[in-house]
Amino acid sequence: AQSVTQLDSQVPVFEEAPVELRCNYSSSVSVYLFWYVQYPNQGLQLLLKYLSGSTLVESINGFEAEFNKSQTSFHLRKPSVHISDTAEYFCAVSETRNNFNKFYFGSGTKLNVKP
Amino acid sequence: DTEVTQTPKHLVMGMTNKKSLKCEQHMGHRAMYWYKQKAKKPPELMFVYSYEKLSINESVPSRFSPECPNSSLLNLHLHALQPEDSALYLCASSLAPGLAEQFFGPGTRLTVL
Repeated sequence: AQSVTQLDSQVPVFEEAPVELRCNYSSSVSVYLFWYVQYPNQGLQLLLKYLSGSTLVESINGFEAEFNKSQTSFHLRKPSVHISDTAEYFCAVSETRNNFNKFYFGSGTKLNVKP
Repeated sequence: DTEVTQTPKHLVMGMTNKKSLKCEQHMGHRAMYWYKQKAKKPPELMFVYSYEKLSINESVPSRFSPECPNSSLLNLHLHALQPEDSALYLCASSLAPGLAEQFFGPGTRLTVL
């Protein structure tokens, strides 16, 4: 089974500063990679995904992530954060087994953007 | 319609009550999922329905009973719950069981007194 590691449980950062949220997973055999964002008392919203093709994927609100197969990583970056980016971010890996895709979530990283 | 809806948003119940959570999607997805999320933790998979049939039960206690009456609707029946079952219950769907992307609903916040 997969394991997904988000080493940083909390990341404090000042507004307009760059940020990187790290995600590593255990195996790169037939995996798909996702970042979800969760605002307080809400469900999960898909931020971006890597299914195939270009290893650099971008979201509409300025986040990007790069699939690095050799390092089994999918780190999330934003060059300049806003207060509204304060939320919990979950990295997820989807692995196909027996014609079924199972999600493995990391433990989450709380991004706290300060003014 | 490109979203997963869940009702109710909040639910408070006693340990002897029977209640149900409802999840609905009209995207033509044929796989639906229930997750449980405790505070400050990632979601944990509970059940998977594939083409309206229960495919995966992640050793969930029998006080949780899922039901998939049709391809758009997923229920979670609750009976004799414990306070430690208090959590955010998330529903998700995907186009097919073998396809990667899952779409999540907003969740039902359950409190068991």
